[in-house]
Amino acid sequence: AQSVTQLGSHVSVSEGALVLLRCNYSSSVPPYLFWYVQYPNQGLQLLLKYTSAATLVKGINGFEAEFKKSETSFHLTKPSAHMSDAAEYFCAVSDEGYSSASKIIFGSGTRLSIRP
Amino acid sequence: DSGVTQTPKHLITATGQRVTLRCSPRSGDLSVYWYQQSLDQGLQFLIQYYNGEERAKGNILERFSAQQFPDLHSELNLSSLELGDSALYFCASSATGGRGYTFGSGTRLTVV
Repeated sequence: AQSVTQLGSHVSVSEGALVLLRCNYSSSVPPYLFWYVQYPNQGLQLLLKYTSAATLVKGINGFEAEFKKSETSFHLTKPSAHMSDAAEYFCAVSDEGYSSASKIIFGSGTRLSIRP
Repeated sequence: DSGVTQTPKHLITATGQRVTLRCSPRSGDLSVYWYQQSLDQGLQFLIQYYNGEERAKGNILERFSAQQFPDLHSELNLSSLELGDSALYFCASSATGGRGYTFGSGTRLTVV
C-alpha cells in the first residue's frame, strides 16, 4: 500500500525566505507523486507532478520538487516566499498510473504561513 | 474555473436526512473521484468511477453511495446523516488514472 508522510503540520517563513515543505512516500512500485495547494475555501490545485521523467520537477508559481528515490522523498521548495503562497499544501502518491482504476493518497497537509 | 463543477456549494441539513451531491467532470475526463475533507480525518478517498463503472473504493461508509451516469456526471448520496458527516466533499476528474486530478471547488455539508 502507498502512503505519504508530510513532516510538519505548520511551517512559517518570512517573506522572501526559502520555502521547504517535506514529504516522504512509501510505495511498492515506482510512484507517481504530486503536490497540491489549497487556498482557503477553495478546491485543490495541482502544483506539480512527478511521473518518472526528470527527477527535478518544476511547477506553477515558482515551486519545484525533487524526487529522491534513495531517500523516498519528494520535498517541495520555492527560493523566495511571497505572501500569496500562504495556503495548505498536500503531498500525494499514486502507484496505479497505468490503470484506469487508481486513486491518489494524500498526506495530512502542511499549512504554510508567510510572515511580513 | 477548473472545469469540474460541483453543486451545491453549501448544504445545511438535519441529522437523519439524505442529501445528494452532484459533480460534472472536466470535458473529456472519464474518471470521477470523491473525497471527504474534515479537520480530524484530513483528505479521505471515498470512491472512484470510470466511464460509469465503480473502479476503486476507499473509506466510504455504507450509508454513502455514488454512481456515474452515461453523460459522465456523478452523484454522491449521503443518507442517515450524522453530525460527524459534516465536511467538505470534493469531486475530482482525470483523463488517465494516476496522472493527476482536477478538483472541483467542493460542497460544504453541515449537519445540524
